[in-house]
Amino acid sequence: AQSVTQPDIHITVSEGASLELRCNYSYGATPYLFWYVQSPGQGLQLLLKYFSGDTLVQGIKGFEAEFKRSQSSFNLRKPSVHWSDAAEYFCAVGDLFGNEKLTFGTGTRLTIIP
Amino acid sequence: DAGVIQSPRHEVTEMGQEVTLRCKPISGHDYLFWYRQTMMRGLELLIYFNNNVPIDDSGMPEDRFSAKMPNASFSTLKIQPSEPRDSAVYFCASSLDSGGGDTQYFGPGTRLTVL
Repeated sequence: AQSVTQPDIHITVSEGASLELRCNYSYGATPYLFWYVQSPGQGLQLLLKYFSGDTLVQGIKGFEAEFKRSQSSFNLRKPSVHWSDAAEYFCAVGDLFGNEKLTFGTGTRLTIIP
Repeated sequence: DAGVIQSPRHEVTEMGQEVTLRCKPISGHDYLFWYRQTMMRGLELLIYFNNNVPIDDSGMPEDRFSAKMPNASFSTLKIQPSEPRDSAVYFCASSLDSGGGDTQYFGPGTRLTVL
């Protein structure tokens, strides 16, 4: 069965600093991979997704993620964070064949300090 | 499109009462998902539908929970009777069906408090 691990429950970063959120997955083949963001009191919004091809994926709000097959990782990065990036971030893996079900990680809460 | 619509946004009820949560998916989407989010358990998939048919309800916690999708534009999640441990944020999401890996679009959620 597919699974996702986000090892960092909470990360604090200074505004303007770089950010990397970790995500490791378990799946029998190259999966579909997603990063979602949840701002306080809101639903989840897609940041970016990877299906195939270029392993560096660009998303909205200046985020990018890199798929590394050898490490089973799909880490999210941003070169310079803004106070508005404070939110909860979820990594998810989708089934390559058939259904649209996603398996979500437990999330990483990002706090931005001035 | 207005996105996924959920109602009510907030619900406060007393233990033992019936609660009905409603969802209108994005028009044209084939899949509909119900999730529950709590601090302790994170985001849990409760049930999902494809073309109005329930596909997997293994996440439904117990018989007190039921979900229906009478047509392509409406779904309900019902809890009867409700208990304080059901307090959570319930999300509905929808997606297209193109063979896997489509983006799920989430509604704003319903915050349920059971006293």
